[in-house]
Amino acid sequence: AQKVTQAQTEISVVEKEDVTLDCVYETRDTTYYLFWYKQPPSGELVFLIRRNSFDEQNEISGRYSWNFQKSTSSFNFTITASQVVDSAVYFCALSEAVYNTDKLIFGTGTRLQVFP
Amino acid sequence: DAGVIQSPRHEVTEMGQEVTLRCKPISGHDYLFWYRQTMMRGLELLIYFNNNVPIDDSGMPEDRFSAKMPNASFSTLKIQPSEPRDSAVYFCASRAGQGFSELFFGSGTQLSVL
Repeated sequence: AQKVTQAQTEISVVEKEDVTLDCVYETRDTTYYLFWYKQPPSGELVFLIRRNSFDEQNEISGRYSWNFQKSTSSFNFTITASQVVDSAVYFCALSEAVYNTDKLIFGTGTRLQVFP
Repeated sequence: DAGVIQSPRHEVTEMGQEVTLRCKPISGHDYLFWYRQTMMRGLELLIYFNNNVPIDDSGMPEDRFSAKMPNASFSTLKIQPSEPRDSAVYFCASRAGQGFSELFFGSGTQLSVL
């Protein structure tokens, strides 16, 4: 079954702290795609990153980094030196390449609050 | 590009009334999705279309919900009759190509059924 689990419902940190958002996925496909989206308080969903199952290289974009580990079926997201503007709900999502190719299934999201 | 456009942004209605949500996808995108977001259930996929054809509506909660896509630039999600438990944010999203492609979301419609 295609499933994404974000066990952390809410995380609160103080500005400049590092924070990691966990994402664990389930799929029967050998080829699949993982995504992270950000939903700031304004409500729109913003694409952050896409990763395919054959590329386990970690990715860094500014203060954001992603750690993809197939062995543990995880695709975790780390924000370094968090800022108040990072406060948002973050969603991890999965799309399968063979089964259910069209669907993008989301986890339940992690609400991150960064306090000054 | 204007992005995915949804209307209305907010809708307040009374139980039993018909509600119609509208979506204009990004031009050239061949997939269109309707999602519903609630605190309890997060983002749920309701239905999606490929080239205007409904492919999977297994997420539609019940027969009160229906969706159409009469052409490549317009889709509607209708709830008839509406119930208070339908209160949620409804998102429309579109993309070009299959599951590896980025999904672009509209701003959502905040629906409140009293």
